[in-house]
Amino acid sequence: DAKTTQPPSMDCAEGRAANLPCNHSTISGNEYVYWYRQIHSQGPQYIIHGLKNNETNEMASLIITEDRKSSTLILPHATLRDTAVYYCIVESNFGNEKLTFGTGTRLTIIP
Amino acid sequence: GAVVSQHPSRVICKSGTSVKIECRSLDFQATTMFWYRQFPKQSLMLMATSNEGSKATYEQGVEKDKFLINHASLTLSTLTVTSAHPEDSSFYICSASPSSQGPRSYNSPLHFGNGTRLTVT
Repeated sequence: DAKTTQPPSMDCAEGRAANLPCNHSTISGNEYVYWYRQIHSQGPQYIIHGLKNNETNEMASLIITEDRKSSTLILPHATLRDTAVYYCIVESNFGNEKLTFGTGTRLTIIP
Repeated sequence: GAVVSQHPSRVICKSGTSVKIECRSLDFQATTMFWYRQFPKQSLMLMATSNEGSKATYEQGVEKDKFLINHASLTLSTLTVTSAHPEDSSFYICSASPSSQGPRSYNSPLHFGNGTRLTVT
């Protein structure tokens, strides 16, 4: 079962920051937070992941609350190509490596 | 970055025939690959874990005799849908990690192929 809760859909204006929330209140100490996105008819694309600290890469920033029960993915300047379903996944980094996908958030970037 | 390639990207077959889908890790080796299935407007569902040199591990409810998995090398896993039926029509996606030989390193997340859309007529 998915261990995360995400809003089913969100809209964001092109050029603005898209902030996608995720609740993972039952996360355990050895579980990471992973974000993937899936553009229509393609395989999921890895975006970013983190354990405790905030992370940033060329695609996005990940903000994890101090208690680790929630996180926010930030796309700083959304473009139309960022329209996709975004999945927040928590998973241990040891042993079993499979990822369990929830229903994700369908992000639509509005021109 | 790590690249996972799937072939074919799209296939149409007649009911009762078998279809083979290939998943390759192009620039890394993976002892473990994962096969997912996605029906329209639904999320990805894990079907099985493919283990190089040994039998695949299937998720509950997935018929191992219908979905044959072969992981003959460290860079190739195949999924064969046998005696396909229209209800098997779906989007099949594989994934692998460069660190699939043990605990995943912090910088080696799972990477996914671009999927195979199977239509059974």
